[in-house]
Amino acid sequence: NAGVTQTPKFQVLKTGQSMTLQCAQDMNHEYMSWYRQDPGMGLRLIHYSVGAGITDQGEVPNGYNVSRSTTEDFPLRLLSAAPSQTSVYFCASSYGKPTGELFFGEGSRLTVL
Amino acid sequence: DQQVKQNSPSLSVQEGRISILNCDYTNSMFDYFLWYKKYPAEGPTFLISISSIKDKNEDGRFTVFLNKSAKHLSLHIVPSQPGDSAVYFCAASPLNTGKLIFGQGTTLQVKP
Repeated sequence: NAGVTQTPKFQVLKTGQSMTLQCAQDMNHEYMSWYRQDPGMGLRLIHYSVGAGITDQGEVPNGYNVSRSTTEDFPLRLLSAAPSQTSVYFCASSYGKPTGELFFGEGSRLTVL
Repeated sequence: DQQVKQNSPSLSVQEGRISILNCDYTNSMFDYFLWYKKYPAEGPTFLISISSIKDKNEDGRFTVFLNKSAKHLSLHIVPSQPGDSAVYFCAASPLNTGKLIFGQGTTLQVKP
């Protein structure tokens, strides 16, 4: 069982570069979301999606774009990376709204120089 | 503005004793509360949840208590084991939204 798969696991970018963090789940989950984890800040919600074609902003959406063209995939795009986006990013999914178990990927560590 | 707060960054307890992790929230529209556990270099994993219509939910060694009037929930682990050493996050979901808001986390260390 693959579960929630994130790629890449590690990435170093220069300020101003763009990149996409990939997230795929094989559990046919409707709900997917992206979080970032920073020391002392916990997990902060960036964007989420309740189904294919539907996305919405979370707590810290600025500087990030998402799309949900399929049930399985929920990529997170950084259009112009900034040092403040250095963080560990987690993708998560659940069958319905996240009032039950949310399944997380292993995380992607991003460093912006 | 932090809607879900875990004011204790760390907690240390002896093996076999009770661990009590606390969480406060500010949004009265939260209707579901959850606890997650996270080991280093891994994603968080679901531990236990509670609906706002209940005040207690128990699952083995883990019990979550909800005090809606105080906007406070707590996670009790009895007895604590060294394998419970991890970061614990509380999270809350507002009614009729797809959001799940997390607290800052509390690092629990259980000493043998």
